[in-house]
Amino acid sequence: ILNVEQSPQSLHVQEGDSTNFTCSFPSSNFYALHWYRWETAKSPEALFVMTLNGDEKKKGRISATLNTKEGYSYLYIKGSQPEDSATYLCASPRNNNAGNMLTFGGGTRLMVKP
Amino acid sequence: DAGVIQSPRHEVTEMGQEVTLRCKPISGHNSLFWYRQTMMRGLELLIYFNNNVPIDDSGMPEDRFSAKMPNASFSTLKIQPSEPRDSAVYFCASSPRDVSNQPQHFGDGTRLSIL
Repeated sequence: ILNVEQSPQSLHVQEGDSTNFTCSFPSSNFYALHWYRWETAKSPEALFVMTLNGDEKKKGRISATLNTKEGYSYLYIKGSQPEDSATYLCASPRNNNAGNMLTFGGGTRLMVKP
Repeated sequence: DAGVIQSPRHEVTEMGQEVTLRCKPISGHNSLFWYRQTMMRGLELLIYFNNNVPIDDSGMPEDRFSAKMPNASFSTLKIQPSEPRDSAVYFCASSPRDVSNQPQHFGDGTRLSIL
């Protein structure tokens, strides 16, 4: 079973701070890396799917980078706002024969204080 | 554009009863996933269908759990008999194609409480 790990588990920041957190995954047999945003009492929502080493994707104040050779991805939030408070999940497919079966990390819970 | 639709949103029932959770994937999506979310284990994949066929059910906890997908627009997850430890939020998700670069689209979940 693929081991996908996220750090830190939780993070408290002040409004306006920029922040980042990490997803690590096995670098061998890499297929894709997904990021999801999960607000309390809602469902996970896809942010990015990244496939190429060196990929960088951006959506508003949120961006992500990917290093497949060393097996990590960073998610950055610039100028955090209270509405960014959520759990951020990363996930990777288990193997090429598994199609889109994902193994999720434990998530980073971000709390932004006004 | 309708997303993934799950029903019911909440279910409270007594242990031993049969529970059926329902999911309608996004039209045109050919992969469907059932997940369970608990505090202890996070988000766990239970079963995965592609083109209505179960591909991997290794995450189904035990024989009390079963899932079907009779057609491209409907799936059920059934627990019989239910036990208190089955209490969790159950999510259904779908994706356009069975390839690893496709994002999954989640329903709002069913919050299940077994008394």
